[in-house]
Amino acid sequence: ELKVEQNPLFLSMQEGKNYTIYCNYSTTSDRLYWYRQDPGKSLESLFVLLSNGAVKQEGRLMASLDTKARLSTLHITAAVHDLSATYFCAVDYPLTSGSRLTFGEGTQLTVNP
Amino acid sequence: AAGVIQSPRHLIKEKRETATLKCYPIPRHDTVYWYQQGPGQDPQFLISFYEKMQSDKGSIPDRFSAQQFSDYHSELNMSSLELGDSALYFCASSFSGQGFREQFFGPGTRLTVL
Repeated sequence: ELKVEQNPLFLSMQEGKNYTIYCNYSTTSDRLYWYRQDPGKSLESLFVLLSNGAVKQEGRLMASLDTKARLSTLHITAAVHDLSATYFCAVDYPLTSGSRLTFGEGTQLTVNP
Repeated sequence: AAGVIQSPRHLIKEKRETATLKCYPIPRHDTVYWYQQGPGQDPQFLISFYEKMQSDKGSIPDRFSAQQFSDYHSELNMSSLELGDSALYFCASSFSGQGFREQFFGPGTRLTVL
């Protein structure tokens, strides 16, 4: 059974600081998503990482994937309050008939002024 | 661009009632997935359909059933509702063509069971 673990689960940081969220998974996969979710809202796709060594950046967020280590990171640079949300990683476990996503527990990020 | 449509967006039911959630995939997408997200939890895969056939089954209770219709829309039927069924239900869709089959999520249906 595929397990996906995120850490930390709760992160409180000051504006302007940098931090990294880690996502470890237990089974070989080279397809990983990062999502943002505001309270009671849908999942906003941030990044889709499709190969070992993939790195993507959008604004203050940068995501990377190391399939050999089964590890993805989401790095936050110079955090601002608007980044406060819950962030999920999800591993795409491909099947012959499609795929299913297995999510990490989520990291609840609070950026304080 | 067209997105995944879910209806209703909010639903309130009493215990032991039934509920039907609907999902309309992105045009040309032939695969539909259902996920359940309880309060403070991560989304859990329930079931998926490809070309109107069930393709994968996750942690879906026996009280729930789902199907995909000829126009590719899908319905999740939930019976004998319990308080613990209160959750956000997401539908996602993808296209089964060659290459990576990215899943696109709908806005979700919030089900509250009283």
